[in-house]
Amino acid sequence: QVQLQQWGAGLLKPSETLSLTCAVYGGSFSDYYWSWIRQPPGKGLEWIGEINHSGNSNYNPSLKSRVTISVDTSKNQFSLKLNSVIAADTAVYFCARGYSGSYYDHWGQGTLVTVSS
Amino acid sequence: QSVLTQPPSASGTPGQRVTISCSGSSSNLGRNTVNWYQQLPGTAPKLLIHTYSLRPSGVSDRFAASKSGTSASLAISGLQSEDEADYYCAAWDDSLIAYVFGTGTKVTVL
Repeated sequence: QVQLQQWGAGLLKPSETLSLTCAVYGGSFSDYYWSWIRQPPGKGLEWIGEINHSGNSNYNPSLKSRVTISVDTSKNQFSLKLNSVIAADTAVYFCARGYSGSYYDHWGQGTLVTVSS
Repeated sequence: QSVLTQPPSASGTPGQRVTISCSGSSSNLGRNTVNWYQQLPGTAPKLLIHTYSLRPSGVSDRFAASKSGTSASLAISGLQSEDEADYYCAAWDDSLIAYVFGTGTKVTVL
């Protein structure tokens, strides 16, 4: 059974760096793309980006300048860093497993990240 | 700002059929597969339908999807109280070079 477990700091100040990690348990790590998706409170879903085991990545153009997604194949983990956060980055952040450009079939539990001074 | 447009809400009584539309463009729904997600309150989204009309194991056959041109739709038949949730369509957009989600539709069972 595939499980994604995520963690990271939940409260940040403006200009700080958001950092989240997602560990994958079960299933193949190399056969999929690993993604981050966020959801501001009361709003819809926004795709942040994705990476595969080889480090090939795609990012949402609206966030590309501030986002880095990395992968650690030795631990079956992948991580998100979002620089220079602002209040508008306040959201629940989800990690997910998927097929590049297609669909996401397993999701993490979500982490609420609040940006506030 | 989402490039896939859905109605904000839909509702029905138990047993009824509810349909949710998703309108896109040639760069997303017109070229790429459409997927649907269900999000129950306070939980992560769940893949409901992928590759136009395929249901993952465990998803009820009361959910069905279709696509025509740059529009898609999700139908829920035999509506049940457990279907109360937010529903999102999604697809890859070749122009934005990004995966895009619809605006979301809240389904209420009356």
